[in-house]
Amino acid sequence: GENVEQHPSTLSVQEGDSAVIKCTYSDSASNYFPWYKQELGKRPQLIIDIRSNVGEKKDQRIAVTLNKTAKHFSLHITETQPEDSAVYFCAAQIFTGNQFYFGTGTSLTVIP
Amino acid sequence: DSGVTQTPKHLITATGQRVTLRCSPRSGDLSVYWYQQSLDQGLQFLIQYYNGEERAKGNILERFSAQQFPDLHSELNLSSLELGDSALYFCASSSRLNTEAFFGQGTRLTVV
Repeated sequence: GENVEQHPSTLSVQEGDSAVIKCTYSDSASNYFPWYKQELGKRPQLIIDIRSNVGEKKDQRIAVTLNKTAKHFSLHITETQPEDSAVYFCAAQIFTGNQFYFGTGTSLTVIP
Repeated sequence: DSGVTQTPKHLITATGQRVTLRCSPRSGDLSVYWYQQSLDQGLQFLIQYYNGEERAKGNILERFSAQQFPDLHSELNLSSLELGDSALYFCASSSRLNTEAFFGQGTRLTVV
């Protein structure tokens, strides 16, 4: 099956700086890559996703890039704010309707 | 509100007991996923159902079982509970057409 690795496991940045979280996947058949944000004690919430036919997607301060050749995708958060502090999970799905393979999570702390 | 409803929100029970967690997916969603999240851990995939049938199985213990009913709600049964089963159990659902998975608020299970 698919294997998703996520780095780093923890990340601290100063408010206003950028944060980058990277994930790699093993199965070239994966074609959907969502990112979830989980605040303490709450449910994971989808913040952005990308499909394999797109190389980059942006939504305000967050962006995701995908390199299919290298089998890795990254989350970029610019102008970080304290409310961005949370655990972020990447995931990969091989095709519609199948299970999601999650990374191990990155705990992001934005220091005011 | 994601539209995915989980009950109960909290559950405290003794070792050796059996509990049932319930999940109502978003209207029209055919897929239901169950995840276990232990303290400060990632999302461990347990099992997926699609339109009433088991679709994928993860690291689900033999003491655990699940099913999806004709009205598409799902139940996760945990038996012979151990202290190590204490965790947050999430249900997520996705539709046939869209691949986004939406999480419920989770059931926090405490085994004492």
